[in-house]
Amino acid sequence: EIVMTQSPATLSVSPGERATLSCRASQSISNNLAWYQQKPGQAPRLLIYGASTRATDVPATFNGGGSGTEFTLTISSLQSEDFAVYYCQQYDIWPRTFGQGTKVEIK
Amino acid sequence: EVQLVESGGGLVQPGGSLRLSCEVSGFTFSNYWMHWVRQAPGKGLVWISRINSDGSTTNYADSVKGRFTISRDNAKNSVYLEMNSLRVEDTAVYFCASLRGTVTTHDYWGQGTLVTVSS
Repeated sequence: EIVMTQSPATLSVSPGERATLSCRASQSISNNLAWYQQKPGQAPRLLIYGASTRATDVPATFNGGGSGTEFTLTISSLQSEDFAVYYCQQYDIWPRTFGQGTKVEIK
Repeated sequence: EVQLVESGGGLVQPGGSLRLSCEVSGFTFSNYWMHWVRQAPGKGLVWISRINSDGSTTNYADSVKGRFTISRDNAKNSVYLEMNSLRVEDTAVYFCASLRGTVTTHDYWGQGTLVTVSS
């Protein structure tokens, strides 16, 4: 199965600053990558699919990029509601696999 | 409004069984693959099983293969997860979901149901 590796595990950022999260696939997955946001006690929320397309109602402060094996999620100006755990997930090759998550916390 | 409502979680002893249900409304259930994803306390998301639209194809993660069975009833807009030979490490919140993919253009999740395996 494809292993998804996210870095860093924890990112401490001040409100209004930029956050850049990374996700690496163990083999090429083209652009079949999604990013999810999860807050405590909630189901994951889809932010990005196709590596760079924002899902419905996702603010333009969220941007995804990359293809093949290297991907990034950039949050251009962190708002209070953006502090959460973020997961990447590949859906190119079964079984779907998730990264271990990056926790974005308030600095 | 789309809703996925899981039920059936609870406390069970190691070696026991549980059946989770997920009732769906708000989209054409019978057209889509359905998935189960779990999350152990304080841990990440793990995909564990999927079933195609008519129930003829099922897949499982190695960690649950041979112990869990996914099924669906399109007349009841429901998907199920039969879990047998439960282990302590199966303790998790179990989410049903219709996941965005190369064909499916939406992404819907239930609120999750907690399964605790403990003696």
